[in-house]
Amino acid sequence: EPEVTQTPSHQVTQMGQEVILRCVPISNHLYFYWYRQILGQKVEFLVSFYNNEISEKSEIFDDQFSVERPDGSNFTLKIRSTKLEDSAMYFCASKPTGMGTGELFFGEGSRLTVL
Amino acid sequence: GQQLNQSPQSMFIQEGEDVSMNCTSSSIFNTWLWYKQDPGEGPVLLIALYKAGELTSNGRLTAQFGITRKDSFLNISASIPSDVGIYFCAGRPSYNTDKLIFGTGTRLQVFP
Repeated sequence: EPEVTQTPSHQVTQMGQEVILRCVPISNHLYFYWYRQILGQKVEFLVSFYNNEISEKSEIFDDQFSVERPDGSNFTLKIRSTKLEDSAMYFCASKPTGMGTGELFFGEGSRLTVL
Repeated sequence: GQQLNQSPQSMFIQEGEDVSMNCTSSSIFNTWLWYKQDPGEGPVLLIALYKAGELTSNGRLTAQFGITRKDSFLNISASIPSDVGIYFCAGRPSYNTDKLIFGTGTRLQVFP
């Protein structure tokens, strides 16, 4: 069964460092997302991406965050200068269908620990 | 912002028992989704609901989209140990957004 894959599974970084989290969405999907989950809390929307541009972003997704689809398969989340409060599980998700429809398929997540 | 209140926060049940959990909001949602999350993994979709009043089953799981569009419930019948995990409801607040709002989660523990 096709799945969303994420790397790395866990990254530890120093505050102020740049981090790139990578995702390979399901191959025929066109809509891509990043969500995050701080330990013990609910899952929160960060950003949606379609047709090589951001469709929607939350207030969490500030100037320190960026997303990119550098080639036909990868979808990346970059945090330019990490803060302690960026420590969380980051989930990539994708779906095949358009705005307002369809079900998101999530990856297993990348745990980011900022020291 | 829009919030989904999920209850109960946690449940401890015996294997074989039925389970019910629900999600409520003060605002309308156009889609309700129920996900299960195992420790250290991503949410896995259980059931998707798209119309008010819709009742959908997936094996031992049944979920309903409330008539008011402000609530949804998930029932699990005859629970088994592998049902253990955190169950999240998630809603899409309008057709003009792809953003999902997640509930606070219900942690289910099943004892043999």
